[in-house]
Amino acid sequence: QKEVEQNSGPLSVPEGAIASLNCTYSDRGSQSFFWYRQYSGKSPELIMFIYSNGDKEDGRFTAQLNKASQYVSLLIRDSQPSDSATYLCAVTSPPDSSYKLIFGSGTRLLVRP
Amino acid sequence: EAQVTQNPRYLITVTGKKLTVTCSQNMNHEYMSWYRQDPGLGLRQIYYSMNVEVTDKGDVPEGYKVSRKEKRNFPLILESPSPNQTSLYFCASSSGRGRNQPQHFGDGTRLSIL
Repeated sequence: QKEVEQNSGPLSVPEGAIASLNCTYSDRGSQSFFWYRQYSGKSPELIMFIYSNGDKEDGRFTAQLNKASQYVSLLIRDSQPSDSATYLCAVTSPPDSSYKLIFGSGTRLLVRP
Repeated sequence: EAQVTQNPRYLITVTGKKLTVTCSQNMNHEYMSWYRQDPGLGLRQIYYSMNVEVTDKGDVPEGYKVSRKEKRNFPLILESPSPNQTSLYFCASSSGRGRNQPQHFGDGTRLSIL
């Protein structure tokens, strides 16, 4: 069974700190990796995707991918209370298709004012 | 406005009474998918469709049916709902071109089967 693992949290950080969210996956053939943010009772919204080893930055967000270790992370700099949400890691599941996603159960982030 | 629209948003019904949750997208996306979300289990894929008349099972298809007669619509059918299908359901779509095309989610449908 292909799996995506995340610590459920909550991860509590003070406002202005760096929040580090981690995700591991079991299928070495996975090619693309996505981070979604989901506020309580709302639908997931895409924050970032990454498919090459290394770091990818977008504003306050940085995604990091290490395929050898089957590990992907999301760093949120200068965390704000509005960042408090559940963060879902999603991984493509080949060879079915590049569009089939396996989601982790999510990490709840709490940013304290 | 580009969007994925699900209806109804909320439904309380009884065991065995057939129901349909509709999903429609206005982005001309080829790929559509249904997920259910349960506490502690994350999003699990029920069915997906690569294009019109092309559907396939996801990870938890038991008890569900889908159809894709038109590109924009992808209804989820529960022929004989049971209480274990009480969940939050999301429909999603993407253009399907290229590996990094994000999936756009609808607002969700909360189903309660009594």
